[in-house]
Amino acid sequence: QQQVKQSPQSLIVQKGGISIINCAYENTAFDYFPWYQQFPGKGPALLIAIRPDVSEKKEGRFTISFNKSAKQFSLHIMDSQPGDSATYFCAASLALTGTASKLTFGTGTRLQVTL
Amino acid sequence: GAVVSQHPSWVICKSGTSVKIECRSLDFQATTMFWYRQFPKQSLMLMATSNEGSKATYEQGVEKDKFLINHASLTLSTLTVTSAHPEDSSFYICSALGQGAAWANVLTFGAGSRLTVL
Repeated sequence: QQQVKQSPQSLIVQKGGISIINCAYENTAFDYFPWYQQFPGKGPALLIAIRPDVSEKKEGRFTISFNKSAKQFSLHIMDSQPGDSATYFCAASLALTGTASKLTFGTGTRLQVTL
Repeated sequence: GAVVSQHPSWVICKSGTSVKIECRSLDFQATTMFWYRQFPKQSLMLMATSNEGSKATYEQGVEKDKFLINHASLTLSTLTVTSAHPEDSSFYICSALGQGAAWANVLTFGAGSRLTVL
């Protein structure tokens, strides 16, 4: 029940295109859904996060869409750039306080943006 | 912004030796820190939750006697891999949850520490 499923495993998008990564969760008690970007040999960096009381959140070129009834959320990267090439992880936690903030990560999506 | 520093960033050790990895919150205090392990091309798996002044809580399947965690202050947690073996070679990443008015609900990851056991 703690699983977070992520797809696709890898994604190739042309420069300027839209990258879409999807995640699904099982535990309805999850209350915080972040997306992380990770470059090789580096720790994950928070991109954007959402709580289940909103259906969409946009920050610059990054948008999270959240479907509470379907228990799914997705990351859209608009106008994808070669510098966006990285591995993206969705995650979920019960809260963002104390020990409840431990994250369950998705399996990751390797994004490659081509010229 | 909040910064979490891990040291060392890369360590090579011989099989059977112990290695200590430090995780420091540089400009904020963190009552709670988390330790993750990541194998190549795989996701991050939570190993344990570290609370300042108390014993760490380990996830199922993680040997607490092998992976010793100490959270002695509000800015430092350490992970010691005892009697390391080649299968312990991995990327170890910590995260810290800020506390206080400025950093409450801010969860920051370190840059990771790559351990290679020969």
